[in-house]
Amino acid sequence: EVQLVESGGGLVQPGESLRLSCAASGFNFRSHQMSWVRQAPGKGLEWVANINYGGSEGSYVDSVKGRFTISRDNTKNSLFLQMSSLRAEDTAVYYCARDWDGSGRSLDYWGQGTLVTVSS
Amino acid sequence: DIQMTQSPSSLSASVGDRVTITCRASQSVSSWLAWHQQKPGKAPKLLIYKASSLESGVPSRFSGSGSGTEFTLTITSLQPDDFATYYCHHYGTFSRAFGQGTKVEI
Repeated sequence: EVQLVESGGGLVQPGESLRLSCAASGFNFRSHQMSWVRQAPGKGLEWVANINYGGSEGSYVDSVKGRFTISRDNTKNSLFLQMSSLRAEDTAVYYCARDWDGSGRSLDYWGQGTLVTVSS
Repeated sequence: DIQMTQSPSSLSASVGDRVTITCRASQSVSSWLAWHQQKPGKAPKLLIYKASSLESGVPSRFSGSGSGTEFTLTITSLQPDDFATYYCHHYGTFSRAFGQGTKVEI
């Protein structure tokens, strides 16, 4: 069974940093790209970042470029999102999602999400 | 960047109704378009991928069509479990983008 479990969310002040983690199990982790998607309270889904199979290349939505870094550890089946210079508008539930593997599917499994609140 | 626009943003329907949701891309995305269903407090669930392929386990009353810049999600005979918010999602080589969502209400 595919499982994605996020952790690391919490309350931080503007300008601070936070690192999210996602533990993956039940599938061949290194055969899938992975993504982070967020959802601000009462709002729609926003794709945040994607990382390729080996972890050498990440892509980001413009609003987080230069502040967020996506990474992965294929030896530990783990995905990470390092967030710095956090702003109030980064407040959201952050989902880890399994992404492209060449089968035509994208974002076919999601974690339960972890809440990040940026407030003073 | 490619922008995805859904319509309508919300709709009211009854059990048994046929429902159609439209998603338009700001430029051609070929068939790299998916549809997700989200219920309150839950993670999204993939329904359709590659514009018209039904994800395993998803009821056949859900279907997707389109290519290029215009896509539709159709639910034939709406069921009580289908009241939710639906999002289209473009997936490209270096980015992804969601539509703003369509809330299907009673």
